[in-house]
Amino acid sequence: NAGVTQTPKFQVLKTGQSMTLQCAQDMNHEYMSWYRQDPGMGLRLIHYSVGAGITDQGEVPNGYNVSRSTTEDFPLRLLSAAPSQTSVYFCASSYRVDAGYEQYFGPGTRLTVT
Amino acid sequence: GDSVTQMEGPVTLSEEAFLTINCTYTATGYPSLFWYVQYPGEGLQLLLKATKADDKGSNKGFEATYRKETTSFHLEKGSVQVSDSAVYFCALSPPNTGGFKTIFGAGTRLFVKA
Repeated sequence: NAGVTQTPKFQVLKTGQSMTLQCAQDMNHEYMSWYRQDPGMGLRLIHYSVGAGITDQGEVPNGYNVSRSTTEDFPLRLLSAAPSQTSVYFCASSYRVDAGYEQYFGPGTRLTVT
Repeated sequence: GDSVTQMEGPVTLSEEAFLTINCTYTATGYPSLFWYVQYPGEGLQLLLKATKADDKGSNKGFEATYRKETTSFHLEKGSVQVSDSAVYFCALSPPNTGGFKTIFGAGTRLFVKA
């Protein structure tokens, strides 16, 4: 299994440009999430999905869109990039184990907006 | 709201030293508690978890005990190795979200010197 894959690994955008960060998982997990990681702030949830066709907002959703047409894929779209969106983005998939959930993270996409 | 507070780093230790990274949380009900580890250039990996009070999670020589009375989940290891150098994140999954939505602490960077 490849686990959770993300592309690209690095990206530089100019303010106002749009782009899509790709995420795919091959573990047949129901749940998928997008986080951003900023220094000193841990990971913050952007959007999440509980299954194909179902998405919802997390803690910091503004400026981002998601869709989930298949179980495997969960792309994150930046509509009009801003310098405040400079961050490292992680995609995760999750499944239920006992009374909790285990999350599996991709390797991340480092985005710089100039 | 629910939150996680962990000790600020970086923590610098010599090989074979004892490690403690403090983590306290605020949550209603009984969340699941986790420690994730992030090695340089990689995504987060689940290190250990505990899903109810007094549970002890353990993995790779690390352990942490779910203390409801002190709302703590401190990470310990008896003898660290250079390969343990990484960033460690304490996290919780609130019970009313089905568990898969996770709130992360800011992370603690550990350096282990040979």
